[in-house]
Amino acid sequence: ETGVTQSPTHLIKTRGQQVTLRCSSQSGHNTVSWYQQALGQGPQFIFQYYREEENGRGNFPPRFSGLQFPNYSSELNVNALELDDSALYLCATQRIRTSGGADTQYFGPGTRLTVL
Amino acid sequence: SQQGEEDPQALSIQEGENATMNCSYKTSINNLQWYRQNSGRGLVHLILIRSNEREKHSGRLRVTLDTSKKSSSLLITASRAADTASYFCATDAAGGYNKLIFGAGTRLAVHP
Repeated sequence: ETGVTQSPTHLIKTRGQQVTLRCSSQSGHNTVSWYQQALGQGPQFIFQYYREEENGRGNFPPRFSGLQFPNYSSELNVNALELDDSALYLCATQRIRTSGGADTQYFGPGTRLTVL
Repeated sequence: SQQGEEDPQALSIQEGENATMNCSYKTSINNLQWYRQNSGRGLVHLILIRSNEREKHSGRLRVTLDTSKKSSSLLITASRAADTASYFCATDAAGGYNKLIFGAGTRLAVHP
């Protein structure tokens, strides 16, 4: 158990809809990253939030957006869902020190999104 | 795009045998990490090796890193059926902001 939780566990949506996924950070962790994992593939980096601001983004369109809250929990929002958005969405939290060093990223159990 | 490439894609062994998985990557890194994933669930962190380290051990796990060849290997000794899972290497690129770049993984099956 990593202490990182995600909700919901599973979700089914239809094309064009919008979805919000949630992640609660492990205690002491101030950074959250989101990853998309398609079936049979490794996770791909979507974006990272640090101190409530986006701190880097992968190759994902603007309809993928996020938020980080003062308690370091986070949301991933996806608008205008497409069939290819069907995947396991993972969040990972870590502590980035003020010196710039970072500890290991710990992953939550994921949210399985199916788009029909 | 995925930086890490694991080899082999799939590995099937008997309990008690050793399992070796390899990973290659493309850019300079701060560190390389190995994760395990059971049946499409969350990733479990196994071991982190920094760019200035060459070998690291944790229980039955041994990881090596060759930065000149941009490659790493994960050895699981005396494997057990419970080791059946997918294993991923992930690199933390130098000069980056701690995003991890994963390979496609090695699917390990350990038969009793």
